[in-house]
Amino acid sequence: SQKIEQNSEALNIQEGKTATLTCNYTNYSPAYLQWYRQDPGRGPVFLLLIRENEKEKRKERLKVTFDTTLKQSLFHITASQPADSATYLCALGTMDSNYQLIWGAGTKLIIKP
Amino acid sequence: DGGITQSPKYLFRKEGQNVTLSCEQNLNHDAMYWYRQDPGQGLRLIYYSQIVNDFQKGDIAEGYSVSREKKESFPLTVTSAQKNPTAFYLCATTEGLRTDTQYFGPGTRLTVL
Repeated sequence: SQKIEQNSEALNIQEGKTATLTCNYTNYSPAYLQWYRQDPGRGPVFLLLIRENEKEKRKERLKVTFDTTLKQSLFHITASQPADSATYLCALGTMDSNYQLIWGAGTKLIIKP
Repeated sequence: DGGITQSPKYLFRKEGQNVTLSCEQNLNHDAMYWYRQDPGQGLRLIYYSQIVNDFQKGDIAEGYSVSREKKESFPLTVTSAQKNPTAFYLCATTEGLRTDTQYFGPGTRLTVL
């Protein structure tokens, strides 16, 4: 079956450290992968997009990698801050679904001061 | 949340009732989407529309209906045929149907009494 998987357990990180979140997918031919941030009771907010022919993308303290051989994307937040605490969602765009996004369930990130 | 408004923020439905969730945007985006979010699951697409007076079913359209009479508005009706409607409903837009970034509204939480 086709799936997008994110770690369902909350990730606890000490302030100042790098947080790394994982997004794995199976049986898709990806065109691009996106990462969103969602705060409790609010809609997701777009953070970064990486295309299938790109290995890495950066934006300020954020970095995304995309390995189509491993079928995995990693999302890094460097110098993490308590304000980075939120749920992070990955979403895959693929020709298989006519480019409608396939969403992971999200990973809750908690940055401890 | 940008230029997308959803109302109401909280909605309670009795058994057998139809309820309508509002979504309005001032981003001048062509495409609009309705998603349902349940705990532990990724966003699931209910309906989407790329132009006025046209819309397509998503993965879980049964028990829902939509209309797109104006570019700015894409209301979702949850009918009594939807047996498990309690969820967080999110409206989103993109500039075009296959444009990458999705912009989300603040969401409506629907609870069945």
